[in-house]
Amino acid sequence: DSGVTQTPKHLITATGQRVTLRCSPRSGDLSVYWYQQSLDQGLQFLIQYYNGEERAKGNILERFSAQQFPDLHSELNLSSLELGDSALYFCASSASGTRGDEQFFGPGTRLTVL
Amino acid sequence: DAKTTQPNSMESNEEEPVHLPCNHSTISGTDYIHWYRQLPSQGPEYVIHGLTSNVNNRMASLAIAEDRKSSTLILHRATLRDAAVYYCILRDFNAGNMLTFGGGTRLMVKP
Repeated sequence: DSGVTQTPKHLITATGQRVTLRCSPRSGDLSVYWYQQSLDQGLQFLIQYYNGEERAKGNILERFSAQQFPDLHSELNLSSLELGDSALYFCASSASGTRGDEQFFGPGTRLTVL
Repeated sequence: DAKTTQPNSMESNEEEPVHLPCNHSTISGTDYIHWYRQLPSQGPEYVIHGLTSNVNNRMASLAIAEDRKSSTLILHRATLRDAAVYYCILRDFNAGNMLTFGGGTRLMVKP
């Protein structure tokens, strides 16, 4: 158990809909990262937050957005969903946002868009 | 992050050592070599990392070539639980803290 929790575990929805994925980092970790894992693209970094502020952006679509709240939990919002958004979404946390410290991954949320 | 090259898959027998290679010929002086693994149906987990010297921890050893253009992750006694995809990742501390995953090596462990 990494100490990172993600909800829900599974999500099934239809094209055009909007969903919110939630992540609680390990106690004391200030940085949260979101990754997407699909069969054709592999594991891809989406976005990083550090202590409530956006720190880095990767291959995140404009239809996707995220935020980190004062209690440090984070939410990833996916809107106007398409079939290709079906994937595993992982959240990770680390103590700081720099220095290459170890990232701890949650169990993931499996999103299926029908 | 600089690119890494790993074999797509490898096979090992249980309780034997496993050497997982990684080539990173374009590594820069500020790149650290990190290894993560992903067990089936789980998120990735940290294994080990190093800069220039060989490193050991409770999970594995990391052997880094003198020119740093390649490295090898060593599992001293493979168990069935070590069956996973192993990712070799270069991280430049100055270029952000995200992980850039490649294809990794799928390790299969035979009983």
